[in-house]
Amino acid sequence: EPEVTQTPSHQVTQMGQEVILRCVPISNHLYFYWYRQILGQKVEFLVSFYNNEISEKSEIFDDQFSVERPDGSNFTLKIRSTKLEDSAMYFCASSDSGNTDTQYFGPGTRLTVL
Amino acid sequence: KNQVEQSPQSLIILEGKNCTLQCNYTVSPFSNLRWYKQDTGRGPVSLTIMTFSENTKSNGRYTATLDADTKQSSLHITASQLSDSASYICVVTDFSGGYNKLIFGAGTRLAVHP
Repeated sequence: EPEVTQTPSHQVTQMGQEVILRCVPISNHLYFYWYRQILGQKVEFLVSFYNNEISEKSEIFDDQFSVERPDGSNFTLKIRSTKLEDSAMYFCASSDSGNTDTQYFGPGTRLTVL
Repeated sequence: KNQVEQSPQSLIILEGKNCTLQCNYTVSPFSNLRWYKQDTGRGPVSLTIMTFSENTKSNGRYTATLDADTKQSSLHITASQLSDSASYICVVTDFSGGYNKLIFGAGTRLAVHP
């Protein structure tokens, strides 16, 4: 069964450094999403991406964040200058359509900012 | 503000017993409601999706109900198994922007004991 994959599984970085989290969505899906989950807290929506542009973003997704689909398979989340509070699990998801279709989540990348 | 509230926060049951988890939401406009299962350190996995016109949806031992008038949903787990131990998250879709933005509840942490 096709699945969403994410790399790396765990990323440790120094405060102020740039990180890029990578995701390979399910191949025939058209809608892509990033979520984050701070330890012990609820999952939060960051951004949705369709047709090579951001379709919606939350207040969390500020100028330090960017997303890109550099080729036909990868979907990346870049954090330009990491802060301690960026430490969280970051989940990528994809769906076939943008409305009632199931979003399939990847296993997550645990980001630790020191 | 769009919110999703779940109860109880945590629940312990014995293997083989049934349980019911609750979800109240204030999200409007409302597109659909989903229940996800999230194992510790993993991405959420979809259990059920219901639109506002559906009252009940089953997936094996999981049965979700929805009352769109009172903005309440429940997830009933029948004949629990040890592998049901996980967080169960109620997620309501905000479709106000024309795209799929998921609003997550904090989850109910279920522990099934032998």
